[in-house]
Amino acid sequence: EAEVAQSPRYKITEKSQAVAFWCDPISGHATLYWYRQILGQGPELLVQFQDESVVDDSQLPKDRFSAERLKGVDSTLKIQPAELGDSAMYLCASSIQENTEAFFGQGTRLTVV
Amino acid sequence: AQRVTQPEKLLSVFKGAPVELKCNYSYSGSPELFWYVQYSRQRLQLLLRHISRESIKGFTADLNKGETSFHLKKPFAQEEDSAMYYCALRRETSGSRLTFGEGTQLTVNP
Repeated sequence: EAEVAQSPRYKITEKSQAVAFWCDPISGHATLYWYRQILGQGPELLVQFQDESVVDDSQLPKDRFSAERLKGVDSTLKIQPAELGDSAMYLCASSIQENTEAFFGQGTRLTVV
Repeated sequence: AQRVTQPEKLLSVFKGAPVELKCNYSYSGSPELFWYVQYSRQRLQLLLRHISRESIKGFTADLNKGETSFHLKKPFAQEEDSAMYYCALRRETSGSRLTFGEGTQLTVNP
């Protein structure tokens, strides 16, 4: 069964360092999402791609976060510099098109120390 | 802005008892509502969506626009229903953006 793949599963980084997460969506899925889930809260959308284009990044803290999906397939989310408040689960999801079911990856658990 | 509220962070019931997980939303338009579930050590997955009006794993949810609610119900809870449940809303004009509630941890005791 096809699944969304994310790596790493866990990441510990020091404050002010750079960190990157990778996501490989299900093959053929044009829409890709990055969500952030702070402990005890529901996921919050950071950025949405349609193929290689960003269609929604209104909640992305652009001073330190960046995301790219250069060839419209896999995607990277970067934080530079990391802050203590960035500690969270970062979830990637993909769907065939907008407004169709989104399938989630296992997530990357980030701890900033 | 839209908001989803799940008033219970924790809910515990006994096997065979009815269960209701509450979800209320605030949005003036015509939203689409969903329930997502995350079992222990598994990924988040869609359980059901209001437009499909189907029962999944014995769960049903009815959208009540008058009360702005989308409660999830099951008449007879099973131990395997123990999981984290998230209610989510999508505005008709927001593309695919989902707004999630904070989740309810359901525990079904034997």
